[in-house]
Amino acid sequence: AQSVTQLGSHVSVSEGALVLLRCNYSSSVPPYLFWYVQYPNQGLQLLLKYTTGATLVKGINGFEAEFKKSETSFHLTKPSAHMSDAAEYFCAVRRTGFQKLVFGTGTRLLVSP
Amino acid sequence: GAVVSQHPSRVICKSGTSVKIECRSLDFQATTMFWYRQFPKKSLMLMATSNEGSKATYEQGVEKDKFLINHASLTLSTLTVTSAHPEDSSFYICSAWDRDTEAFFGQGTRLTVV
Repeated sequence: AQSVTQLGSHVSVSEGALVLLRCNYSSSVPPYLFWYVQYPNQGLQLLLKYTTGATLVKGINGFEAEFKKSETSFHLTKPSAHMSDAAEYFCAVRRTGFQKLVFGTGTRLLVSP
Repeated sequence: GAVVSQHPSRVICKSGTSVKIECRSLDFQATTMFWYRQFPKKSLMLMATSNEGSKATYEQGVEKDKFLINHASLTLSTLTVTSAHPEDSSFYICSAWDRDTEAFFGQGTRLTVV
C-alpha cells in the first residue's frame, strides 16, 4: 500500500524567505508524486509532478521539488516566499498504472510580511 | 489545460432532502472520475471511483445508499447525497485524469445541511 507523510501541519515563513514543505512517501513500486495547492473553498491545483526522468522537477509559481529515492522524499521548495503563496499544500502519490491518488494530511503555509 | 467543472459551488439544504452535485470534464473525456470529501482543516478522503457506464466503486466505510454516484456519459458524473443530515455537511471535490497524465479537480462544493 502507498502512503504519504507530510511533516508539519503548519509552516510559517516571512515574505522573501525560503519555503520548504516536507513530504515522505511509502511505495512498493516506483511512484508518481505530486504537489497540489489549495486556496480556501477551492479545488486543487497542480504545482508539479514527478513521473520518470529528471529528479528535480520545476513547477508553477517558482516552486520545485526533488525526488530522492534513497530518502523516499519529495520535498517542495521555493527560494523566496510571496504573500500569495499562503495556502494549503498537499503531497500525493499514485501507483503506476492506477489513477487513485493518496494524499498527505496537508501543510498550511503562512506567510507574514 | 483541461478543465473540470463542478456545480454548484455552494448549497444549503434542509435535513432529510437530497442534493445533487455535478462534475463535468469540459474538454476531455473521462471514463473514470473520483469523488472526495474534505473535512475542515483535513486532507481529502476518497469516497468513490465513478466509472462511465458501470457501477461506482466505493471506499470502505462509505455508504453506497447515502452517496449515489452516476456516471452516465464520458463527461459527466453526479454525486447525490440522499436524505442529507447535518453530519453530511462538508466540502466535496471531484477529479478526473486527462490522458492519464494529470488529475484535474473541480472547484469543490460546500454542502451545508441545516
